[in-house]
Amino acid sequence: SYVLTQPPSVSVAPGQTARITCGGNKIGSKSVHWYQQKPGQAPVMVVYDDSDRPSGIPERFSGSNSGNTATLTISRVEAGDEADYYCQVWDGSSAHYVFGTGTKVTVL
Amino acid sequence: QVQLVESGGAVVQPGRSLRLSCAASGFTFISYGMHWVRQAPGKGLEWVAVAWYDENSKYYADSVKGRFTISRDNSKSTLHLQMKSLRAEDTAVYYCARGKIGVDAMDVWGQGTTVTVSS
Repeated sequence: SYVLTQPPSVSVAPGQTARITCGGNKIGSKSVHWYQQKPGQAPVMVVYDDSDRPSGIPERFSGSNSGNTATLTISRVEAGDEADYYCQVWDGSSAHYVFGTGTKVTVL
Repeated sequence: QVQLVESGGAVVQPGRSLRLSCAASGFTFISYGMHWVRQAPGKGLEWVAVAWYDENSKYYADSVKGRFTISRDNSKSTLHLQMKSLRAEDTAVYYCARGKIGVDAMDVWGQGTTVTVSS
């Protein structure tokens, strides 16, 4: 089955840039979606189709995808961005939706 | 406004059955694929199942295939998850989520319902 690997944690100072990677075999050929989940809350989609943002999501959130790595970038990080972030793809070969292992973003 | 409200979570013994429901409102239910996603305590998200607008298109995670059944009542804008032969590892918060049209992603999520499998 298809596996998506994320770093367990990323730490960033306020105002700096956080980059969260999502590794998968030839992930560049798939559409990658990203979710933010704050403690005790349901996930919220922050990026879809590699780099598109749903309405209401700040422009500070952006995404890219190439080769074997997709990246979610959070610019000008704020305290409110502290959360767990998950990448997700559709694996057509298995007809499964797959989530990454998740990354906890800590704002220092 | 668009809303998903899950219900049916409970504490159940191993081997027993449970049925979860998700009431949708604020959008044309029949036009969307609908998912169940779960999260075990302290763990990450795990996709469970999806039901597209027609009853013939359903997919399941390997961990639940043969034990769980997803269904939808388009006349009542309701999604269900029938869970049988429950195991301790099925303990989780179960989220209902709407599939974004034309995109293999989930754009609206409910607040979740908790299932605990324990003797």
